[in-house]
Amino acid sequence: QKEVEQDPGPLSVPEGAIVSLNCTYSNSAFQYFMWYRQYSRKGPELLMYTYSSGNKEDGRFTAQVDKSSKYISLFIRDSQPSDSATYLCAVKAAGNKLTFGGGTRVLVKP
Amino acid sequence: NAGVTQTPKFRVLKTGQSMTLLCAQDMNHEYMYWYRQDPGMGLRLIHYSVGEGTTAKGEVPDGYNVSRLKKQNFLLGLESAAPSQTSVYFCASSRLAGEETQYFGPGTRLLVL
Repeated sequence: QKEVEQDPGPLSVPEGAIVSLNCTYSNSAFQYFMWYRQYSRKGPELLMYTYSSGNKEDGRFTAQVDKSSKYISLFIRDSQPSDSATYLCAVKAAGNKLTFGGGTRVLVKP
Repeated sequence: NAGVTQTPKFRVLKTGQSMTLLCAQDMNHEYMYWYRQDPGMGLRLIHYSVGEGTTAKGEVPDGYNVSRLKKQNFLLGLESAAPSQTSVYFCASSRLAGEETQYFGPGTRLLVL
């Protein structure tokens, strides 16, 4: 069983819709939760970072962490074609290395 | 600043050939990482370095070697390439160990025939 599970998609939505992405993880020691965005043929870049349970909002992006369910989510409001990318969740325990999910490909259609 | 750069961008090897992938960063980061990315597998850590002259094994180190002779460079070597090493290789760096923000290079696509 992978430590971090993520639906590969693709997830296709019309422009302006809400994009909902999620990951599940198995190790309760994970305390740091991240979302990376990766455009086609590019390296990943950090999009959102949260510590422990709760919500974090940054513009159109909201990250949620539910440690009791070992479930993390990313919501993109008012999605734009420029949001079309692969979104990778990542987790880590204190002082440890990142563990990535497999990524979900998102396509926002004009 | 160029950030993290990787050379080459693309390479085709025959089984058994060797090659070296070069990663360079200009952010004075202590920590550097090599990942491979395969469809549906996410990013898997091959080797990493916590400073000049140090290296350590990651999740999938077999068939690879690394060297960090200079702080800004991290080399990944394949001594005898195998088709299973066909992948996209990403280098990353971070200021601190296990830091959430890792800065990634653009990747090297490797095809082993």
